[in-house]
Amino acid sequence: KAGVTQTPRYLIKTRGQQVTLSCSPISGHRSVSWYQQTPGQGLQFLFEYFSETQRNKGNFPGRFSGRQFSNSRSEMNVSTLELGDSALYLCASSRGLGETQYFGPGTRLLVL
Amino acid sequence: DAKTTQPPSMDCAEGRAANLPCNHSTISGNEYVYWYRQIHSQGPQYIIHGLKNNETNEMASLIITEDRKSSTLILPHATLRDTAVYYCIVRVGSNTGKLIFGQGTTLQVKP
Repeated sequence: KAGVTQTPRYLIKTRGQQVTLSCSPISGHRSVSWYQQTPGQGLQFLFEYFSETQRNKGNFPGRFSGRQFSNSRSEMNVSTLELGDSALYLCASSRGLGETQYFGPGTRLLVL
Repeated sequence: DAKTTQPPSMDCAEGRAANLPCNHSTISGNEYVYWYRQIHSQGPQYIIHGLKNNETNEMASLIITEDRKSSTLILPHATLRDTAVYYCIVRVGSNTGKLIFGQGTTLQVKP
């Protein structure tokens, strides 16, 4: 069974731009979560989706948003990029809420 | 904030068992202990999880103390490919997959 896939794997943007990252969960998984990893803050939870509804949100500004589609695929968007948004963005999927999460390889975003 | 405490780093000789400790003294009765590892710049890899009983799978064993305030992840025969950051996580709540990561333990397996 294929794992979690994330596209693109690498991305370079400039300050003020916006970016959209994509995540395809493991087949049959209906829950998707997003995390941000930086050297200074470590791995931090962004948000969690299940059945196209956001179920949980971490402590991030409103510039960070996401959505989930009916096929469980998910996207996250960051608007008005700042230098501090440079990070590895990780997506994880699980069969349902509260079940074991499996992570994708991540998208590495560099903001210049 | 993370509900777990782990040593920042540990060494292990190749072929020997690696025992990684984790303290979670404020764990609640219905909270699971999860272990993930992250090899440099890759996504975290699920290893094992447990509630009360000891658990074993093809990767590792998880020993949880009777009072559930601490646990130990055991890699029975460590190899160089087991060098990674190991995260012990208490998953808060049963209706969410939200994981709160701490700083983890960097395990260095040496030849």
